[in-house]
Amino acid sequence: AQKVTQAQTEISVVEKEDVTLDCVYETRDTTYYLFWYKQPPSGELVFLIRRNSFDEQNEISGRYSWNFQKSTSSFNFTITASQVVDSAVYFCALTDTGRRALTFGSGTRLQVQP
Amino acid sequence: NAGVTQTPKFRVLKTGQSMTLLCAQDMNHEYMYWYRQDPGMGLRLIHYSVGEGTTAKGEVPDGYNVSRLKKQNFLLGLESAAPSQTSVYFCASSTSHPNTEAFFGQGTRLTVV
Repeated sequence: AQKVTQAQTEISVVEKEDVTLDCVYETRDTTYYLFWYKQPPSGELVFLIRRNSFDEQNEISGRYSWNFQKSTSSFNFTITASQVVDSAVYFCALTDTGRRALTFGSGTRLQVQP
Repeated sequence: NAGVTQTPKFRVLKTGQSMTLLCAQDMNHEYMYWYRQDPGMGLRLIHYSVGEGTTAKGEVPDGYNVSRLKKQNFLLGLESAAPSQTSVYFCASSTSHPNTEAFFGQGTRLTVV
């Protein structure tokens, strides 16, 4: 069975601080896909990134970066120089070729204080 | 350029009433999903469909039924609403390739009193 754990329920930082959101996953499959979604206070789910199990390269997109480590089954998300607009709930999710539906973690609520 | 549209956005039901949530997508996606979101529990899969005329159960299917008579529509029904079904419901769609993201609707906030 698949499982995604986001142990940090809520994180509060001050603007311009760096923050890392943790994601640990479990799957028996060798081929799988990982995703991060953002849910701002308005409620919609916004796709941020996907990564397949064969690509362990880290990725950077502006202030966002992702660190994928198969050895520790983790796919962590770092926001550099956080801004108030980054305040949201962030979800990590997992799927594989067999299941096709996303399994979500419980989410991490990030509050960025001005 | 609508993407995934859910109807209605808000609803209050009395215990025992029935209702149908409609999800429509205009991206010609094969796969469609219904999730519910509860505080501290992330999104949990209720039912999903891998094509027109097909449906399958997810993690929390009890108390819900679904239908996918047309490729673009995925309906979620509550036959006899219970307070435990108070939640925010999200519909999503995706292509058949697992390495593609799912697109989500804006959500339906349902309260059962």
